[in-house]
Amino acid sequence: SQTIHQWPATLVQPVGSPLSLECTVEGTSNPNLYWYRQAAGRGLQLLFYSVGIGQISSEVPQNLSASRPQDRQFILSSKKLLLSDSGFYLCAWSNSGPYYEQYFGPGTRLTVT
Amino acid sequence: SQQGEEDPQALSIQEGENATMNCSYKTSINNLQWYRQNSGRGLVHLILIRSNEREKHSGRLRVTLDTSKKSSSLLITASRAADTASYFCATDLNSGYSTLTFGKGTMLLVSP
Repeated sequence: SQTIHQWPATLVQPVGSPLSLECTVEGTSNPNLYWYRQAAGRGLQLLFYSVGIGQISSEVPQNLSASRPQDRQFILSSKKLLLSDSGFYLCAWSNSGPYYEQYFGPGTRLTVT
Repeated sequence: SQQGEEDPQALSIQEGENATMNCSYKTSINNLQWYRQNSGRGLVHLILIRSNEREKHSGRLRVTLDTSKKSSSLLITASRAADTASYFCATDLNSGYSTLTFGKGTMLLVSP
């Protein structure tokens, strides 16, 4: 069976510090991978998605970046965090194609102070 | 920008009652999906309905889709306290990559 892992679960970082969130998927190959951010009481905002190694599409311009160094690894990074980067970050995967649901990880709660 | 908008924003019912949540969207879709999120957790997929389908069932869940009105509804029958969660609709705009656009969600509280 497939599983998706995210770490860390919670993170408190000062403004201006770097960020690295990691997501890994097990039990599947060549998945589509996604990073979302959820502000308090809000829906999900798609940040990045990837259909293969090294292929990253950005949905929202911001000071975040994403990389996919391996087939089942997706990393969200920032060189300098802003207060507005606080939120709940969710990684998800899906099979390729138009009729597949997405499977979400447990999320990372990021607080920028 | 939000594609789907759920209604109501919050819903409070008693165990055993039915809960109905609605979702409206703006552009043509390939499919529409419903997800559940327990507080502080990741989302869990509930059901997917394709644009050429009008109704789907899964256990106590019933989803309808009206593409002419650009709307969908999620009905949970015989609600339980464990159904307490936020429910989101998500639309797939046929990008080919299953990129979903989520609404802001309906927060459902089921009291024992």
